[in-house]
Amino acid sequence: QVQLQESGPGLVKPSETLSLTCTVSGGSVSSGSYYWSWIRQPPGKGLEWIGYIYYSGSTNYNPSLKSRVTISVDTSKNQFSLKLSSVTAADTAVYYCAKRGYSYGYGYWGQGTLVTVSS
Amino acid sequence: EIVLTQSPGTLSLSPGERATLSCRASQSVSSSYLAWYQQKPGQAPRLLIYGASSRATGIPDRFSGSGSGTDFTLTISRLEPEDFAVYYCQQYGSSPETFGQGTKVEIK
Repeated sequence: QVQLQESGPGLVKPSETLSLTCTVSGGSVSSGSYYWSWIRQPPGKGLEWIGYIYYSGSTNYNPSLKSRVTISVDTSKNQFSLKLSSVTAADTAVYYCAKRGYSYGYGYWGQGTLVTVSS
Repeated sequence: EIVLTQSPGTLSLSPGERATLSCRASQSVSSSYLAWYQQKPGQAPRLLIYGASSRATGIPDRFSGSGSGTDFTLTISRLEPEDFAVYYCQQYGSSPETFGQGTKVEIK
């Protein structure tokens, strides 16, 4: 059974870079045709897809965030990471990492981690 | 970008009743790439339906999905107490992946 766990600072200052890591257990980030994604949810609001890294290492980002987002993978640690630069209060959200198959949908999610942008 | 519009915003029903939730897309979505999720407070979303009509592993058969093109529906045949939650549709066939704004199913 695949499990995902987000980790990283819960508080980030405006203009700084938000960095989160998703540790995957029960499966490999580098095998199978899977998409490893970051999705966020501002408090009391809906879900926003940030982007994914494919098992092959290719990436795809939401154009609304593309200039500030980097998703990378560390196969030796079976982790993938999110960096979001130049954050503002609008980036305050619960950040989820999630996994989907080609046509399956996001069947596996981390529990989410709240990141607050504030000085 | 494909915009998904869910209706109604809130559905007030009693346990045992049937719930019908709508998801309308701004342009055609391949049925293979339309999913429904359930989210309860403080929890991550849970995949219910993928490919517009296929139930995910472990999902009770009171949940069903249908539709094609730009109009999709999630039906809960008989609401159980644990079904009161927020439901989101999502398309993942076109980049960027997008979610609807959600429908809250609340106890009447």
